[in-house]
Amino acid sequence: QSALTQPASVSGSPGQSITISCTGTSSDVGAYNHVSWYQQHPGKAPKLMIYDVTYRPSGVSNRFSGSKSGNTASLTISGLQAEDEADYYCSSWTSSSTLFGGGTKLTVL
Amino acid sequence: QVQLQESGPGLVKPSQTLSLTCTVSGGSISSGYYYWSWIRQPAGKGLEWIGRIYTSGSTNYNPSLKSRVTISVDASKNQFSLMLSSVTAADTAVYYCARARAAIDSWGQGALVTVSS
Repeated sequence: QSALTQPASVSGSPGQSITISCTGTSSDVGAYNHVSWYQQHPGKAPKLMIYDVTYRPSGVSNRFSGSKSGNTASLTISGLQAEDEADYYCSSWTSSSTLFGGGTKLTVL
Repeated sequence: QVQLQESGPGLVKPSQTLSLTCTVSGGSISSGYYYWSWIRQPAGKGLEWIGRIYTSGSTNYNPSLKSRVTISVDASKNQFSLMLSSVTAADTAVYYCARARAAIDSWGQGALVTVSS
């Protein structure tokens, strides 16, 4: 199994919107609506931000949204804030495994 | 609110077996149809899924680690465990235990395990 493909880094200014892509295959991202996104600050455990492609857990800002088209999922963060600077990982659940993307470092300029 | 806590040796010698335990509090490990999972993260690198055990006891492992990994549950202690055999320096990482359905909704704080003689 191969890791999902994410850009290594993205950046944006406060107030702007950014999108992080996550590309898999027809056997993982494309086959299941079980894509999730995690935010990780340095030295901390990851935090669930989006599950099942588009759903936000309780307490997660509505500035975070998810979508999927074919084998590619996306995370959009609108109204960027300094606290959003972190690493972001996508993940895809399958019936036999869980795959992670390589991670994307978001820099808020 | 479920909480997870990893425990085990922080230093393991090469060729030996890494053993970690995750203690679950705030909920029963036997209920709720969850996958109890292990994930690791080498310093400065991304997340790597190791494997999971379902409430029923069935397991799934990362194919790249499958020959060396065993995940088990001790419901009487509300714990689940990871064993990784024949470790090398490449297995040095922060190891997280976690609870998941499809998404991982609860994580332990992580335990650093260093493989060194």
